[in-house]
This record gives sequence, C-alpha cells and structure tokens, in this order.
Amino acid sequence: GAGVSQSPSNKVTEKGKDVELRCDPISGHTALYWYRQRLGQGLEFLIYFQGNSAPDKSGLPSDRFSAERTGESVSTLTIQRTQQEDSAVYLCASSTGQPTYEQYFGPGTRLTVT
Amino acid sequence: AQKITQTQPGMFVQEKEAVTLDCTYDTSDPSYGLFWYKQPSSGEMIFLIYQGSYDQQNATEGRYSLNFQKARKSANLVISASQLGDSAMYFCAMRDYESTDKLIFGTGTRLQVFP
Repeated sequence: GAGVSQSPSNKVTEKGKDVELRCDPISGHTALYWYRQRLGQGLEFLIYFQGNSAPDKSGLPSDRFSAERTGESVSTLTIQRTQQEDSAVYLCASSTGQPTYEQYFGPGTRLTVT
Repeated sequence: AQKITQTQPGMFVQEKEAVTLDCTYDTSDPSYGLFWYKQPSSGEMIFLIYQGSYDQQNATEGRYSLNFQKARKSANLVISASQLGDSAMYFCAMRDYESTDKLIFGTGTRLQVFP
C-alpha cells in the first residue's frame, strides 16, 4: 500500500531487554515523526526528522531512547533496557512539508514490557 | 509553551444530530496550524480537518467544520449529521510553524453516537 507502515504491530518484551521499532514512511515524504501514546492518553511527541537536517530530539524521555533515519527512508526507534513504563503504542507519521503540514500516521506498534 | 486543552473526556450524541467537540489552545506565536484527528478503536489516526492561524474563513470538510475563534483561542470541531461510525476518540492538535514541526496533542474526547 501507499501509506505509512510500521513493524512489528505488536511486541512483548521482558523488562531490561532492548527493542527496535521500524517505520516506513510514505515515499517522497521528507518529514518523519515518532509519537508515543500511553493507554487512554493523547500522543506525546518523541522525535522529528526533516530531510538532512539535525533531528529534533526534544521529546525523547530518556537516553534509553534513540532513533535513526537513513536519508528520507525508513526509521528505527530503539529503546534500550526497557522498563514497564515504556509500555505504549508507538506511532510513526510522515509528511510532505506542504502548507497544511498534514501528518499521515502509521498503524502503530503496541509495545508491552513485562 | 504551546498547549492544547480538551475539557470533554466523553460526549454522547444521537445519530443524525450535530455535536461540538471543544478545543482551546495556547501559544505566543502568531503563526500556527490547528488539526483534528479521529482515532477509532482500531487505533489508526485519521486526519479530519486543518485550520491555519491566518485563514479568514472557518475550515470545512464534508460533515466536519472547525469553529475557529482566534481571539478566544478556540478551535472547536463540529460534526453535523452524526453517524454511528463517528464513534471514536477525537484529538485536537496544534503545529507551531515558528519553531518546530511537531504536533502538540490534547488529551482527546471520546465521542459515542447512539441510534
């Protein structure tokens, strides 16, 4: 399909393990965002990539969180030494950067830390 | 700091009636954009409507319209002729063009449409 895809759709991991979440943005979209949504809550911004500019990492909650993006393609969000409070849905979005700046969201990865 | 406030955790509306979901925002920047997203129980975020801070007219998209009152810093979503499929969480969000392109989201309103 032509939408944003994320993998895996669900991930269960033990506390202390590292996890990698993947996002494939819409082809041609220069901007990519990661958000976190805890159960029953709104979305919290984590990190933003725009082209070759330095990413905006201001939303990353701790140094256990990191993300990479290669050019204008896929991005991976890595959580090291996972904690139970990391349990959430992690949503990726991409955008063309056009005037309305509409962000197209992927289906999310549901992370459960046991 | 930018902030979005949605004061209605839940709303009920009867099918075919109109409903207004409230959203107020706070920003010191003159240039910003306001968005509404729908999140059904399946979890995906669906873009509904956008309003720019300099837009003179209220945005409309089909059954959705945005009641933009700049002086009051409010951007309420109006859904006309509600349908059962409108039952979902609705999030108001703001984008600040001056500093960063991230979206600041409110806590959401759960809308339930009953027959």
